[in-house]
Amino acid sequence: SYELTQPPSVSVSPGQTASITCSGHKLGDKYVSWYQQRPGQSPVLLIYQDSRRPSRIPERFSGSNSGNTATLTISGTQAMDEADYYCQEWDNSFVVFGGGTKLTVL
Amino acid sequence: VQLQESGPGLVKPSQTLSLTCSVSGGSIDNGDYYWSWIRQPSGKGLEWIGNIYYNGSTDYNPSLGSRVSMSVDTSKNQFSLKLSSVTAADTAMYYCATLVIITKLFDYWGQGTLVTVSS
Repeated sequence: SYELTQPPSVSVSPGQTASITCSGHKLGDKYVSWYQQRPGQSPVLLIYQDSRRPSRIPERFSGSNSGNTATLTISGTQAMDEADYYCQEWDNSFVVFGGGTKLTVL
Repeated sequence: VQLQESGPGLVKPSQTLSLTCSVSGGSIDNGDYYWSWIRQPSGKGLEWIGNIYYNGSTDYNPSLGSRVSMSVDTSKNQFSLKLSSVTAADTAMYYCATLVIITKLFDYWGQGTLVTVSS
């Protein structure tokens, strides 16, 4: 079965740039979405089709996908961005989520 | 679109977990969507359970084998999940969500319902 691998945790200082990776075999050939989940809340869509952003999502969130790795980048990280982040792909009728990355804003 | 999960919060081991997701603000026979179930054990990541289309066609997570089944009731604008032979490992927050076919994303999520498997 297909697997997506994320680092369990990433730390960033306020105002700096955070990068969260998601790795999978030939992931660049698939579409990747990213979700943010704050404690006690349902996930929220941040990025879809690798790099597209819903209008309600701040511009500081961006995405890319190439080769075996997709990356979520948060520019000018704010305290409110502290949350869990999940990548997701849907291929051959099956949905796969990455294991999730806890972003800590120090 | 709003989604609302409902069902027992406590299920005994070996029994069948049954949940329903009620859809409002949109029609379940919208061909642009799959209707999905996703679960999340406490402190752990998201696990896709399965998708159902309005015509009843389904895709399930292979890791759940034959224990999972989903159905759709277009007259009630609802879809449902059944998971049989549950164990403590099935204790989780269960979410229903909409999966947009063209863009391959989950855009609407329910608030989730906690199901505990315990005797």
